[in-house]
Amino acid sequence: EAGVVQSPRYKIIEKKQPVAFWCNPISGHNTLYWYRQNLGQGPELLIRYENEEAVDDSQLPKDRFSAERLKGVDSTLKIQPAELGDSAVYLCASSLVETQYFGPGTRLTVL
Amino acid sequence: AQSVTQPDIHITVSEGASLELRCNYSYGATPYLFWYVQSPGQGLQLLLKYFSGDTLVQGIKGFEAEFKRSQSSFNLRKPSVHWSDAAEYFCAWMDSSYKLIFGSGTRLLVRP
Repeated sequence: EAGVVQSPRYKIIEKKQPVAFWCNPISGHNTLYWYRQNLGQGPELLIRYENEEAVDDSQLPKDRFSAERLKGVDSTLKIQPAELGDSAVYLCASSLVETQYFGPGTRLTVL
Repeated sequence: AQSVTQPDIHITVSEGASLELRCNYSYGATPYLFWYVQSPGQGLQLLLKYFSGDTLVQGIKGFEAEFKRSQSSFNLRKPSVHWSDAAEYFCAWMDSSYKLIFGSGTRLLVRP
């Protein structure tokens, strides 16, 4: 069974540019999460989806971050415009019930 | 606020030696607790989880963890470490909204 797929794996952009990350969860998992992991820290939740609905986006910086999961399967996380402090690894995870399975992440570097 | 503490930033052990990674949580009710491992450039892989029942849980790769309510701890152990175990280990607690709260991680280095 395929795991959580994320692309791209690495992205380098200049500040003020837009960037988007894509995630395809494990088949059948209706819950999808986006986490941000800063260097030397554990991941922190940005947003959680139940099917198409964002049920917890309290930690998402809405002035520059947006996310969508239009058909309740794959999801896109966008940053516009990116700031230097957005450099981090962006992890996607999915779950059927409690246990979350993580993708390999996208390492974003903002110059 | 609920939190997870991993007091050791780095731990170095010799290959073949035993390992214990510490994890403490601050929460009153019975928590859902997890240990994940992250190799360089990789995502997080689930090692084991505790929801209820037997307080000693077995995981993959020969790891086990013990839930001790009296100490608010969920320490990870392995009797004999292999060089391939070198990685970063994260303890996590799940709140009632299924959000994982992670500790800051412990980096394990293995001496040959």
